[in-house]
Parts: sequence; C-alpha cells; structure tokens
Amino acid sequence: GQQVMQIPQYQHVQEGEDFTTYCNSSTTLSNIQWYKQRPGGHPVFLIQLVKSGEVKKQKRLTFQFGEAKKNSSLHITATQTTDVGTYFCAGHGGGSARQLTFGSGTQLTVLP
Amino acid sequence: ETGVTQSPTHLIKTRGQQVTLRCSSQSGHNTVSWYQQALGQGPQFIFQYYREEENGRGNFPPRFSGLQFPNYSSELNVNALELDDSALYLCASSFARRGGEKLFFGSGTQLSVL
Repeated sequence: GQQVMQIPQYQHVQEGEDFTTYCNSSTTLSNIQWYKQRPGGHPVFLIQLVKSGEVKKQKRLTFQFGEAKKNSSLHITATQTTDVGTYFCAGHGGGSARQLTFGSGTQLTVLP
Repeated sequence: ETGVTQSPTHLIKTRGQQVTLRCSSQSGHNTVSWYQQALGQGPQFIFQYYREEENGRGNFPPRFSGLQFPNYSSELNVNALELDDSALYLCASSFARRGGEKLFFGSGTQLSVL
C-alpha cells in the first residue's frame, strides 16, 4: 500500500531560524495536504497542493509539490514560538482511494 | 474551531471490553472519516462513511465498525478491546466522498485500554 515518509522526525530551532520538513510518497499522488497539530490538539488543515511543481505561500510558510508528484516540502522562514507543533503531510493516491495517508510528522520546537 | 465535535474526550476501558465513540460533523458536510493516532505517530485511516454507508476502509480488523446517521453524525465501535487500541481517535468531516478533500478534525477521544 501507499506509504508516506516524513523527515526529520524532530527539529529544534532557535527563534528566528528557518525550518524545513520533507515528505516522500512511495507512489504518485493526486494531491498532498499539510496539517499542523499543536501539542494536545488535533490536526488543522494548512494547505492543499494539486499540480506538479506547484509552490504556494502563506506568510512565512512556503509549500512545494515535486515535479513527479511524489514529494513535498514545507519551509518556514524566521520561526516564531507560535510555530511550535507537529507538521504532517498527507497524500491522496487518487482513483478509488478514499483516505489520506499521513506521514509520521515532524515535531518542531522553537526555543525563545 | 472546526465545528466537528467528539465525545467523550477521554475514556478508560479494560481489555476485552467494548467502546462507542461519537462524532457530530460540521454543518453542511456529508462525509465522516475516522482515524487512529498512536502517540508520536501520524493519523491512520480506519474508515469513511458517506450517506450512511461505509465508503472505504483502512487496514483495521472487523472489530472496528461504524455507523453514520441521517444527520451525518457518526459512531465508531470497537469490540474486544486490546492494549494496542490505546490511542487518540479522530473524527474528520468533509463535504464530498471523492477522496482527497480537505478534512476538518474534531478534538478527538483519548482512549486508554488497561
């Protein structure tokens, strides 16, 4: 079955530093989504990417979908303490698939 | 907030017991998906319900079952609980059943099996 791998598992940064998490799928995806889960919270939708090579920005966050639609990245510029949480990518395989397959997440800690 | 509500928030059961978790979907959404999230892991798809029928299932045994009601609310039932069933159970609603839509998650039910 489809597998989605995410690295790194943990990342500690000093406030103001940049952060990047990477996501790789074992199969081509129809779309990829990113979610953020604060400690003790639930996943909250950030963005969806659909097109090959797509790049989207949300303020300090930049999301990218690879040309082969098998990998993606999330880059945060100048991290803030409010960025703390676990970031998950979730891929949809298309066709008759109903589920999103989540990566194992990258837990971001921002040190003040 | 997403408008997806789950109950109860926490639950403690013993091995072999049965449990029912409940979810009310966001207004206007007709599809409910259930996910299991073990500590330190990403959510794992259990199944999806659309118009009161199971519309897709992940790699979970038959003792995990569900229902969806005419108002699109849903239940997750787990029989013969095992220690490994201890996890956060997340309900997510969405508008369509195609798959790949944006999900709106509830706050989850934390289940502990002793």
